[in-house]
Amino acid sequence: DVKVTQSSRYLVKRTGEKVFLECVQDMDHENMFWYRQDPGLGLRLIYFSYDVKMKEKGDIPEGYSVSREKKERFSLILESASTNQTSMYLCASSFSANSYEQYFGPGTRLTVT
Amino acid sequence: KQEVTQIPAALSVPEGENLVLNCSFTDSAIYNLQWFRQDPGKGLTSLLLIQSSQREQTSGRLNASLDKSSGRSTLYIAASQPGDSATYLCAVRIGTGANNLFFGTGTRLTVIP
Repeated sequence: DVKVTQSSRYLVKRTGEKVFLECVQDMDHENMFWYRQDPGLGLRLIYFSYDVKMKEKGDIPEGYSVSREKKERFSLILESASTNQTSMYLCASSFSANSYEQYFGPGTRLTVT
Repeated sequence: KQEVTQIPAALSVPEGENLVLNCSFTDSAIYNLQWFRQDPGKGLTSLLLIQSSQREQTSGRLNASLDKSSGRSTLYIAASQPGDSATYLCAVRIGTGANNLFFGTGTRLTVIP
């Protein structure tokens, strides 16, 4: 079974803090994704990566950055957390750029106070 | 830009009832449509994927249909069980690449024992 894990299930941070959300997949997938999920808005793509050290902006990259130093790990960074970044963050991975099957992690619920 | 809508946002049914969840999309030029299940506080699990050339897909008690011309998909759940309680999301893919996947906001289903 494909496993996608996220470092924290729940996280509470203060405004202005630098926040790191970690995601690890164990199936040698090329593609990894970060989404945020908000009530009434569905899932929105923040960033994705097709390969190590490669990243592409999604629909809402503002206020976020990412890092992919190793194939299995994709990190989402909030440089200076703000209250409007309070959300559920979901990581996903897929085998290739043409693979339609995305496997999701359990999510991290981030609260910024 | 593709817009995906799921109505109603929430649905409660008694155990054993057959039910239909709806998904509509604005642009009929799609690659495929996927239904996901999301349990509270958890990530997404893929249920069914329908390619644009297909009319329906079945898995156990689940049947998903696709009518591209009308921009609609339905997820039929037969003989509902309390364990079916979850949020069901549909996602429409309009091309290859990570930023070509559009999610609906979901329908939260409660099956009452």
